[in-house]
Amino acid sequence: DTGVSQDPRHKITKRGQNVTFRCDPISEHNRLYWYRQTLGQGPEFLTYFQNEAQLEKSRLLSDRFSAERPKGSFSTLEIQRTEQGDSAMYLCASSLERLGIAFFGQGTRLTVV
Amino acid sequence: QQQVKQSPQSLIVQKGGISIINCAYENTAFDYFPWYQQFPGKGPALLIAIRPDVSEKKEGRFTISFNKSAKQFSLHIMDSQPGDSATYFCAASRGYSTLTFGKGTMLLVSP
Repeated sequence: DTGVSQDPRHKITKRGQNVTFRCDPISEHNRLYWYRQTLGQGPEFLTYFQNEAQLEKSRLLSDRFSAERPKGSFSTLEIQRTEQGDSAMYLCASSLERLGIAFFGQGTRLTVV
Repeated sequence: QQQVKQSPQSLIVQKGGISIINCAYENTAFDYFPWYQQFPGKGPALLIAIRPDVSEKKEGRFTISFNKSAKQFSLHIMDSQPGDSATYFCAASRGYSTLTFGKGTMLLVSP
């Protein structure tokens, strides 16, 4: 499968715990994006990387959130001290800069109880 | 501030009918306007996209109409089929960068 891969698909955690999600983009895609989608809403931008550099962060990305993309390959999104309001689908997308079309993964659904 | 407004929120169309979803944007710097289709439990998938130098783009049963002066664009699905039942999102970006999405339209095509 050559699409965007996200792991895990589902995560249930207790409030206050830390969680980490992984995204493997389409190989050769140099841009990688994280979005958050809550029920009944469109995806909202969180952050994006061009290669290993984190170029933009949304104001939605509080200091409890951190994202990395070591070596410009896969990316991780960590949420520390989770809150019930963090419950959402976390989507990863990748694109090739010169073509621009963003391909999305199937997402990680986070439930904070 | 919602930069991309989408309507209607939900839509029921009979099989064979035309589904029309509308979007309006505020940021005149936007120059790329894609539509995504999302099925339950799946990530959004690109359906069709347009840039503001053309007023219409057609791919199969899907057509985007674009009105730059009104800052509006719409998706038309001709000969709608039950398999088209999904949530549709319009989006906009400046260059091929971060996407700003509308809130989505849940389409149900009745057999």
